[in-house]
Amino acid sequence: DVKVTQSSRYLVKRTGEKVFLECVQDMDHENMFWYRQDPGLGLRLIYFSYDVKMKEKGDIPEGYSVSREKKERFSLILESASTNQTSMYLCASSLSGIRGSGANVLTFGAGSRLTVL
Amino acid sequence: AQSVSQHNHHVILSEAASLELGCNYSYGGTVNLFWYVQYPGQHLQLLLKYFSGDPLVKGIKGFEAEFIKSKFSFNLRKPSVQWSDTAEYFCAVNGKAAVNKLTFGGGTRVLVKP
Repeated sequence: DVKVTQSSRYLVKRTGEKVFLECVQDMDHENMFWYRQDPGLGLRLIYFSYDVKMKEKGDIPEGYSVSREKKERFSLILESASTNQTSMYLCASSLSGIRGSGANVLTFGAGSRLTVL
Repeated sequence: AQSVSQHNHHVILSEAASLELGCNYSYGGTVNLFWYVQYPGQHLQLLLKYFSGDPLVKGIKGFEAEFIKSKFSFNLRKPSVQWSDTAEYFCAVNGKAAVNKLTFGGGTRVLVKP
């Protein structure tokens, strides 16, 4: 069964701490994404990556950075966590458009719920 | 910029009732359209998608959606819901020219009473 695995389901951090959220997929997907999910706002794209070492900003990249050193792993970094970054973070992956109709269809992880105090 | 609007934040209905969830999008070009569902305690998963062709698409668990281009809408329907359809439903769109930027609506929480 295909999987996107997020390393932490629940995290509690203090304001100003550096936070790493890790995501690994085992489907050999080219594209990987980080979203945050907030009630009433749906999912908002933070960053995505379409290849190793490549990244592009999504709609709300401020306060976040990402790293993709290997194809299967995509990390989200909060350099200095703030209370307004308390949220559910979802990682997803998909095939590239070149590889056919599976592109655009996202496979999601279980999510990482981050609370910043 | 593209955007997606879901009209209902919360819907409560009884088993066997019909369900229709509204979704309107704003985008200037050709689009791909999706409905995703998140059951309690589970991952978000694809319910159905529209890329091209027949504007009436069928998905899993008896759901269907109709793309009406003139209305920029992609409403989700199910004729008779079950308690197990209790979930949060998200409409999403991306432009064919920007396939990696999938924009989601705010979601609709559906509660089906047994």
